[in-house]
Amino acid sequence: ILNVEQSPQSLHVQEGDSTNFTCSFPSSNFYALHWYRWETAKSPEALFVMTLNGDEKKKGRISATLNTKEGYSYLYIKGSQPEDSATYLCAFSGAGSYQLTFGKGTKLSVIP
Amino acid sequence: DVKVTQSSRYLVKRTGEKVFLECVQDMDHENMFWYRQDPGLGLRLIYFSYDVKMKEKGDIPEGYSVSREKKERFSLILESASTNQTSMYLCASSLGGRASNYGYTFGSGTRLTVV
Repeated sequence: ILNVEQSPQSLHVQEGDSTNFTCSFPSSNFYALHWYRWETAKSPEALFVMTLNGDEKKKGRISATLNTKEGYSYLYIKGSQPEDSATYLCAFSGAGSYQLTFGKGTKLSVIP
Repeated sequence: DVKVTQSSRYLVKRTGEKVFLECVQDMDHENMFWYRQDPGLGLRLIYFSYDVKMKEKGDIPEGYSVSREKKERFSLILESASTNQTSMYLCASSLGGRASNYGYTFGSGTRLTVV
């Protein structure tokens, strides 16, 4: 079983704070790294897919970076808002696999 | 709007019952997946299918089986439900091929309680 780790497990920030969290994954056999946002009572929603070392993706106030050589990705949220409160999942796609392997997620709570 | 539909949002079943969880997608996706989500354990893969009538075991297949008779439908079967199968079950689908950089589209989940 592949090991995909996310840290921290949970995070509480004040509205307006910027924050970031980490996903670490196997550096061998890498194909793609996915980020999802999962709000309570909703389906997980895709944020980013990254495939190349050094990739950076941005969507509004959320951005992500990828380092495939050392096996980590960072997700950044600038100026957190209460609507950013959710669990953020990363998922590893290995070369030759059909499926994604998920981390346990980082639960973000933004306090107004 | 593309959709993955799970037949039930909440389900309560008795120990020993045979339970069917249904998932239907309207996107003509080749790949379909069943995960369960438990506190502290994250999303764990039970089974997946990459084509009609094809199935592969995931990380935790014990106590489960699956059926994919049509491309759009992927069923998860609990042969004899047990209390340790109480969980949130998520279905997902994706475009075909191995190691795709296409992400998943998820259903809204079925929260199953076995009593």
